[in-house]
Amino acid sequence: DAKTTQPNSMESNEEEPVHLPCNHSTISGTDYIHWYRQLPSQGPEYVIHGLTSNVNNRMASLAIAEDRKSSTLILHRATLRDAAVYYCILKAGYALNFGKGTSLLVTP
Amino acid sequence: NAGVTQTPKFRVLKTGQSMTLLCAQDMNHEYMYWYRQDPGMGLRLIHYSVGEGTTAKGEVPDGYNVSRLKKQNFLLGLESAAPSQTSVYFCASSYPQGAGRGEETQYFGPGTRLLVL
Repeated sequence: DAKTTQPNSMESNEEEPVHLPCNHSTISGTDYIHWYRQLPSQGPEYVIHGLTSNVNNRMASLAIAEDRKSSTLILHRATLRDAAVYYCILKAGYALNFGKGTSLLVTP
Repeated sequence: NAGVTQTPKFRVLKTGQSMTLLCAQDMNHEYMYWYRQDPGMGLRLIHYSVGEGTTAKGEVPDGYNVSRLKKQNFLLGLESAAPSQTSVYFCASSYPQGAGRGEETQYFGPGTRLLVL
């Protein structure tokens, strides 16, 4: 399975935008780029996904590089409730292959 | 809708004991999954099911069995618990989206914390 590389942790101030990077240089043509997040003591929660084009939804935006070897999850205005572990996952089959993700700390 | 629910929320077992974890979903989803998450790690797939009466092995299936007798329920069994099975267990469900499997998004339950002494 193609793997992703994310920073272990990032920090942001409340109400500021956050850009969470993900590298996936071995991505295949059929891999979708998914982002999930896991709040403390909860199950993972779907955030957004895309294939080639940038995507927006009510939670976040996903910017995908033209060569698809990297992507960025954008939280437009971080809140304290966005503090979580964010997972970037390449998905082509049934399973979600979670790595260790990026732990996002949001400070007031 | 309750979404995905898991029973029990927490359990302590002694080595060698058996137990069954129950996952239920009320979204009429075709696919269901069992994952485990060890401290500081991401989730790993144990078993999954693509429909009633069908199951398949995931990444870490040893020591576990599963059954999907009803579409809405997915059971995970530990026949003889071992300390290495101490973990948080998450169930998830999904439905077909798009032409392939890559687009499907999974909905997760709140987890079951299992401690094996």
